[in-house]
Amino acid sequence: EPEVTQTPSHQVTQMGQEVILRCVPISNHLYFYWYRQILGQKVEFLVSFYNNEISEKSEIFDDQFSVERPDGSNFTLKIRSTKLEDSAMYFCASSAGLAGNNEQFFGPGTRLTVL
Amino acid sequence: AQSVTQPDIHITVSEGASLELRCNYSYGATPYLFWYVQSPGQGLQLLLKYFSGDTLVQGIKGFEAEFKRSQSSFNLRKPSVHWSDAAEYFCAVGAYAGNMLTFGGGTRLMVKP
Repeated sequence: EPEVTQTPSHQVTQMGQEVILRCVPISNHLYFYWYRQILGQKVEFLVSFYNNEISEKSEIFDDQFSVERPDGSNFTLKIRSTKLEDSAMYFCASSAGLAGNNEQFFGPGTRLTVL
Repeated sequence: AQSVTQPDIHITVSEGASLELRCNYSYGATPYLFWYVQSPGQGLQLLLKYFSGDTLVQGIKGFEAEFKRSQSSFNLRKPSVHWSDAAEYFCAVGAYAGNMLTFGGGTRLMVKP
């Protein structure tokens, strides 16, 4: 069964450093998403991407964040200058974008620790 | 904008007992509704979903949920809980294909032997 994959599974970085989190969505899906979950809290939407551009973003997704689909398979989230409060689990998801269906398939997550 | 409330932060049930986890949503039209389960340190696994049609939906692991438009609810149920069901459960709502999902705060389920 096709699945969303994410790398790395755990990333440790120093405050102020740039990090890139990588995702490979399911191959025929059209929508891609990033969510985050701070330890012990709920899952929060960051951004969605469709047709090579951002389709929605939350207030969390400020200028420190960017997303890119650099090739036909990868989808990345970049945090330019990490802060302590960026420490969280980051989930990538994808969906087919079919009318009447919003099922999103989640990857296993990348745990980001900012020291 | 849509929102989701899960009123119960923690629930403890005995193994073999029935379970109901509550979820209330706010959205102007019929939403897409989901229940996900998350074991500690793990990702999100979809239990079941509602898009349209029959308001009682069956999912994996013996779970079911009922969409009640009049109560803006989508409660998750299981007739007999197993120890392996101990996890965190999240209800989520989306408005249309490609739309972001909005998650509730989660309910942590503990199962007593």
